[in-house]
Amino acid sequence: SAVISQKPSRDICQRGTSLTIQCQVDSQVTMMFWYRQQPGQSLTLIATANQGSEATYESGFVIDKFPISRPNLTFSTLTVSNMSPEDSSIYLCSVTPNDRVYGYTFGSGTRLTVV
Amino acid sequence: QKEVEQDPGPLSVPEGAIVSLNCTYSNSAFQYFMWYRQYSRKGPELLMYTYSSGNKEDGRFTAQVDKSSKYISLFIRDSQPSDSATYLCAMSANFNKFYFGSGTKLNVKP
Repeated sequence: SAVISQKPSRDICQRGTSLTIQCQVDSQVTMMFWYRQQPGQSLTLIATANQGSEATYESGFVIDKFPISRPNLTFSTLTVSNMSPEDSSIYLCSVTPNDRVYGYTFGSGTRLTVV
Repeated sequence: QKEVEQDPGPLSVPEGAIVSLNCTYSNSAFQYFMWYRQYSRKGPELLMYTYSSGNKEDGRFTAQVDKSSKYISLFIRDSQPSDSATYLCAMSANFNKFYFGSGTKLNVKP
């Protein structure tokens, strides 16, 4: 299965600033996904990023707040903009490997604390 | 009502016990069902995948789906301390979007 490297693993940021999270996959994948995992809550899909097209955002998430780039088939970034303490969460990158049509492979996540 | 409900636990069992983890769901269109295991400070990893109803066994793990009751289960036999983790169920109707449970934290005591 695909191996995902996600950076940074954690960060503490000041409110009002932005953080860009990087996701690198060791193989080419069509679809990449960004999730948020808040304590005691289920994983929530933020957006789906396909190479060569605009990301598709889920209800409640907007591009101005969570801009996403997908420059090629192995890399994506998620930016959390104008952060507030409510953005404190774990952010996870995920892919559906091309050789396995079911399930996701997840990165280790970025633990973000906004102070 | 949430799409997927999962008891958060924590569930504490002695080593060697049989563990039963469960999720209920509301959308009858769900037909792809998965269980993920998440260790602390790690991303979820896929444990089991089941399509439609029925059982699937993989080593010490058995996944069951009862679509008539909208209920899925994961059984762990001969539980080990290394099984201590959070277990997440996930499901989808069409593979375009998955809905996750909030996870059940399991602690297997030596």
